[in-house]
Amino acid sequence: EPEVTQTPSHQVTQMGQEVILRCVPISNHLYFYWYRQILGQKVEFLVSFYNNEISEKSEIFDDQFSVERPDGSNFTLKIRSTKLEDSAMYFCASTEPGSSETQYFGPGTRLLVL
Amino acid sequence: LAKTTQPISMDSYEGQEVNITCSHNNIATNDYITWYQQFPSQGPRFIIQGYKTKVTNEVASLFIPADRKSSTLSLPRVSLSDTAVYYCLVVSTNYGGATNKLIFGTGTLLAVQP
Repeated sequence: EPEVTQTPSHQVTQMGQEVILRCVPISNHLYFYWYRQILGQKVEFLVSFYNNEISEKSEIFDDQFSVERPDGSNFTLKIRSTKLEDSAMYFCASTEPGSSETQYFGPGTRLLVL
Repeated sequence: LAKTTQPISMDSYEGQEVNITCSHNNIATNDYITWYQQFPSQGPRFIIQGYKTKVTNEVASLFIPADRKSSTLSLPRVSLSDTAVYYCLVVSTNYGGATNKLIFGTGTLLAVQP
């Protein structure tokens, strides 16, 4: 069964450093999402992406965040200057055409900012 | 998006049927009811989705009364591995060309004991 993959599984970084989280969505999917989950809290929507542009973003997704689909397979989330409060699990999700109600989530990247 | 309310936690024993009820009083005509499951340190996983009446798949059943103001996720004969957080979400129909963010609540923590 096809699945969403994410790399790395864990990342530790120093405050102020840039991090890039990578996702490979399911191959025929067209809608892409990033969510995050701070330890013990809800899963929060960050941004959605379709047709090579941001479709919607939350208040969390400020100027420090950016997303890119550099080629036909990868979908990346960049945090330019990490803060302590960016420590969380980051999940990528994708949906197939015509069925965006069903989102397929990746295993997540656990980001720890020191 | 309609707000959902579900119990914070439930306990069960192996082999029992578990029913988790969710209320969504403000559900709109074009909204679907969707349930996701999340294990610790993993991404949410789609379980089942419905619009009205009953939907059944290999994992669960979803019961939706005629007024659609609530829904019940039914897990038959749970096992220890069903211990997880279960989220009820109301998702608007996507008619194409737009992404569809998911709004997660706190979910129901189901603890299955031997």
